[in-house]
Amino acid sequence: NAGVMQNPRHLVRRRGQEARLRCSPMKGHSHVYWYRQLPEEGLKFMVYLQKENIIDESGMPKERFSAEFPKEGPSILRIQQVVRGDSAAYFCASSPVSRPEEQYFGPGTRLTVT
Amino acid sequence: QQPVQSPQAVILREGEDAVINCSSSKALYSVHWYRQKHGEAPVFLMILLKGGEQKGHDKISASFNEKKQQSSLYLTASQLSYSGTYFCGTFTGGGNKLTFGTGTQLKVEL
Repeated sequence: NAGVMQNPRHLVRRRGQEARLRCSPMKGHSHVYWYRQLPEEGLKFMVYLQKENIIDESGMPKERFSAEFPKEGPSILRIQQVVRGDSAAYFCASSPVSRPEEQYFGPGTRLTVT
Repeated sequence: QQPVQSPQAVILREGEDAVINCSSSKALYSVHWYRQKHGEAPVFLMILLKGGEQKGHDKISASFNEKKQQSSLYLTASQLSYSGTYFCGTFTGGGNKLTFGTGTQLKVEL
């Protein structure tokens, strides 16, 4: 039973480029969450999605960041025109419908903006 | 708003015990404990729900005092593999987002 999968594991982007991070939830899970972890800090909630719906995006920066979870395919976190401050580890978590409180994390994508 | 954990860091010798505390200023619906090793994803340890719950597996257990809005994680007879940063995460209800605590760095030495 595969866990939460994220790719790429490492991503290097130059300032001004776009970053696309992908997350495939665990089998049977339809809730996806994105968290950001800055170096030496804790995890901060960004967005909570269900298939084709954004449920809570209260942690998303107002500009340049967007997320989607289409009917088919992985959830995608997109960061447009990246800046150095976007360098961080981005973790995706998923949970089953019946137990939304049980969130299991993927290995993360480490984004470095040069 | 962010739960506060104490201590910030602790160093143990193998076999010693430790307690990590998590306090919130908000009423809690549940408390979640994770361990994260450097450069890796957080690993789910356990969830405690309302009702003064206690849980445990192996030599790691936790309690949840809903009235005090606190949870404690107990590590007994620590092993080298327990090293890492421990985070509590809290649900305050009205959504599924976890608010993570400030973290406690635990290092177990021989």
